[in-house]
Amino acid sequence: IAGITQAPTSQILAAGRRMTLRCTQDMRHNAMYWYRQDLGLGLRLIHYSNTAGTTGKGEVPDGYSVSRANTDDFPLTLASAVPSQTSVYFCASSEGHLRNSPLHFGNGTRLTVT
Amino acid sequence: KQEVTQIPAALSVPEGENLVLNCSFTDSAIYNLQWFRQDPGKGLTSLLLIQSSQREQTSGRLNASLDKSSGRSTLYIAASQPGDSATYLCAVISLSYSNYQLIWGAGTKLIIKP
Repeated sequence: IAGITQAPTSQILAAGRRMTLRCTQDMRHNAMYWYRQDLGLGLRLIHYSNTAGTTGKGEVPDGYSVSRANTDDFPLTLASAVPSQTSVYFCASSEGHLRNSPLHFGNGTRLTVT
Repeated sequence: KQEVTQIPAALSVPEGENLVLNCSFTDSAIYNLQWFRQDPGKGLTSLLLIQSSQREQTSGRLNASLDKSSGRSTLYIAASQPGDSATYLCAVISLSYSNYQLIWGAGTKLIIKP
């Protein structure tokens, strides 16, 4: 089934540890995005990539890094996790620019930093 | 600064009723508006995308309208079913400081009572 796969589904992580959230899509979409969703704050964009080999900062990029080595994969890394990074993380993709293309989402990774 | 508001935050109606969900935005200079549904513990699913030049879009029992001049969109759900229970979010694409941004509403949690 075509779509976006995120791993792990959930994770409990000690503060200070490094963690990579994985995201893979099989739709050959050009653009990919990482969002975090927090109660009361809604969805906030962390980083995005318009095409393989390029990345950009979103609304809340601090403490996170991304890479886009190929079209399908867009991992999100927390270099040194802090409790404020406890959230649900969603990876998304769009075929083209958001002006014309709907977003497709993965099922999310629930991360708890203790 | 673009702001998106969804009222009410929660809505409960009996099965079979027609209902309307509201989305308002403060800046009418948008490129498109998208409606999504989110089931508990899941990612978001795109329902409808309305371009700024369009007035409405339909998909099955769903009809979304857009009135840019008044800064409003509505999502009409006909003959509601328990399976329609979910949180519905709207988002607009705006141009901000030379960057296209997707601005999200906080969502309306819909419960359809059997």
